[in-house]
Amino acid sequence: QKEVEQNSGPLSVPEGAIASLNCTYSDRVSQSFFWYRQYSGKSPELIMSIYSNGDKEDGRFTAQLNKASQYVSLLIRDSQPSDSATYLCAVNIGRDDKIIFGKGTRLHILP
Amino acid sequence: DAGVIQSPRHEVTEMGQEVTLRCKPISGHDYLFWYRQTMMRGLELLIYFNNNVPIDDSGMPEDRFSAKMPNASFSTLKIQPSEPRDSAVYFCASSFLARQGSTEAFFGQGTRLTVV
Repeated sequence: QKEVEQNSGPLSVPEGAIASLNCTYSDRVSQSFFWYRQYSGKSPELIMSIYSNGDKEDGRFTAQLNKASQYVSLLIRDSQPSDSATYLCAVNIGRDDKIIFGKGTRLHILP
Repeated sequence: DAGVIQSPRHEVTEMGQEVTLRCKPISGHDYLFWYRQTMMRGLELLIYFNNNVPIDDSGMPEDRFSAKMPNASFSTLKIQPSEPRDSAVYFCASSFLARQGSTEAFFGQGTRLTVV
């Protein structure tokens, strides 16, 4: 089983709708979870971090964490064409500080 | 702060040649990560350092790859000899141990390596 799994997409969402991105991870002791956005030809940039079960909101973005189900998600409200990018889920593995990434989900916002 | 600085941005080299990628982390960050990104394999962790000490190099694909961090402000990733399958974008990232006990990595612009 891969350590961090994401659906590769592409996920197409109409402008103004909610985009929902999902990620599962294999290590039950992981404590830190991150969402990065990567535009084509650019480097990943951190959008959200979450450490506790539940929801964390930042503007149009909401990260959701369920450690019992080993599941983390990202919701993007009022999707904009500029949100079109690849979204990478990242998790610290075990009790180490190394950060492992999923392969990413390509999101396409339809104007 | 200028962020994580990598050089060169692009590198084209012939098979068998030595390649050295360079990274300057964000000042004050005590973790440094080297990643490689390809379409097929995504973003793979190659090695990471804490306070200039290599902690985990299990992602380094072969002995042809080596990394050093001689001081807190500089790291290198070397490939010798290079092969066409090493062609990828190599990212350096740095982070600090946050209050939550976790690290949030900040990436450099990457080095696009092409081995012909």
